[in-house]
Amino acid sequence: NAGVMQNPRHLVRRRGQEARLRCSPMKGHSHVYWYRQLPEEGLKFMVYLQKENIIDESGMPKERFSAEFPKEGPSILRIQQVVRGDSAAYFCASSLGQGSGNTIYFGEGSWLTVV
Amino acid sequence: AQKVTQAQTEISVVEKEDVTLDCVYETRDTTYYLFWYKQPPSGELVFLIRRNSFDEQNEISGRYSWNFQKSTSSFNFTITASQVVDSAVYFCALSEVTTGNQFYFGTGTSLTVIP
Repeated sequence: NAGVMQNPRHLVRRRGQEARLRCSPMKGHSHVYWYRQLPEEGLKFMVYLQKENIIDESGMPKERFSAEFPKEGPSILRIQQVVRGDSAAYFCASSLGQGSGNTIYFGEGSWLTVV
Repeated sequence: AQKVTQAQTEISVVEKEDVTLDCVYETRDTTYYLFWYKQPPSGELVFLIRRNSFDEQNEISGRYSWNFQKSTSSFNFTITASQVVDSAVYFCALSEVTTGNQFYFGTGTSLTVIP
């Protein structure tokens, strides 16, 4: 499967636990994006990364959320001390190049439920 | 202010009917890109089309067609002879040159095609 791969597909966490979501971009893509979809809402940009660099994190909550895209391995979105309001679908996307003209291709999403 | 507005929250049509999904956008950039994505019940986001601001030609792909009108800042999507498999949430998105790292999504239109 050459598409964007996300895991886990579904994740249940208790309040206060940590959630780690993984994303492997499409083959050949070095630009990764994370979006969040809250119930009944559209997708909201969170962060844009290239290998080993966070380029734009203007959409990330100031606390508890972090993202990385190491030289080797998948991109990881980490949510510490989860709260009920973090329950959402988290989508990873990747693109071949940078900038507005590039199409971003999404993974299947990771559905986080905080109980 | 919402950069992408999809005023139709839910639409139901009977199979074989035509249906148009509206998308209105707002930007000050002269160069920008518009996208449509489909989110079927399984949850993944599927890329459908990308148009740039300099190309106002309508596009047709099978039963799908798109009408881009800069004069009204609209990028509407029509499905001809709808089928049950078209049932999904459809998102319109905008990418600007000045904020190229992030896409702005509408809140989506949920389309139900009744057999």
